[in-house]
Amino acid sequence: EVQLVESGGGLVQPGGSLRLSCAASGFTFSSYWMSWVRQAPGKGLEWVANIKQDESEKYYVASVKGRFTISRDNAKNSLYLQMNSLRAEDTAVYYCARDNWNYGMLDYWGQGTLVTVSS
Amino acid sequence: VLTQSPGTLSLSPGERATLSCRASQSITSNYLAWYQQKPGQAPRLLIYGASSRATDVPDRFSGSWSGTDFTLTISRVEPEDFAVFYCQQYDNSPSITFGQGTRLEIK
Repeated sequence: EVQLVESGGGLVQPGGSLRLSCAASGFTFSSYWMSWVRQAPGKGLEWVANIKQDESEKYYVASVKGRFTISRDNAKNSLYLQMNSLRAEDTAVYYCARDNWNYGMLDYWGQGTLVTVSS
Repeated sequence: VLTQSPGTLSLSPGERATLSCRASQSITSNYLAWYQQKPGQAPRLLIYGASSRATDVPDRFSGSWSGTDFTLTISRVEPEDFAVFYCQQYDNSPSITFGQGTRLEIK
């Protein structure tokens, strides 16, 4: 069974940093792209970033470029999102998802971790 | 850009639901997916490649397209189907865009 479990969310002050983690199991992690998607309270889904299997390609939504960094450790079956210079508008539930883009889909999702940016 | 309509759809169980997603420019149909999200839950993949059902998705859900217009149809809405639905596309690079969502509510 495919499982994705996010952790690392919490309350952080504006300008602060946070590192999210996503532990993957039930599939060959090193064979898939992975994505982060977020959802602000009461709002829709917003894709944040994705990363190729060997980290050779990374893509970001414009609003987080230069502030967020996506990475992965295939030996640990883990995905990460380093978030710096956090703003109030980054407040959201952050989901990791298996990015099966060859088939045009995010086919498995974690349950999400809440990040709140507030003073 | 993906534009979903209507914003809210009010139906009774047993009725047919038709949800629309319009792309601002031509996209490869392979790269259009639909998701269902219930309150407090993660999104769930329903349809990929515009018309292929994901694993364990009931056959009352179907996807179709014509040009840049994509449609999710629920043939007979069940009580458990009421939720928010999102369409999603991949751009030329593997970056992703979601529509703003359609809320399916009980009439």
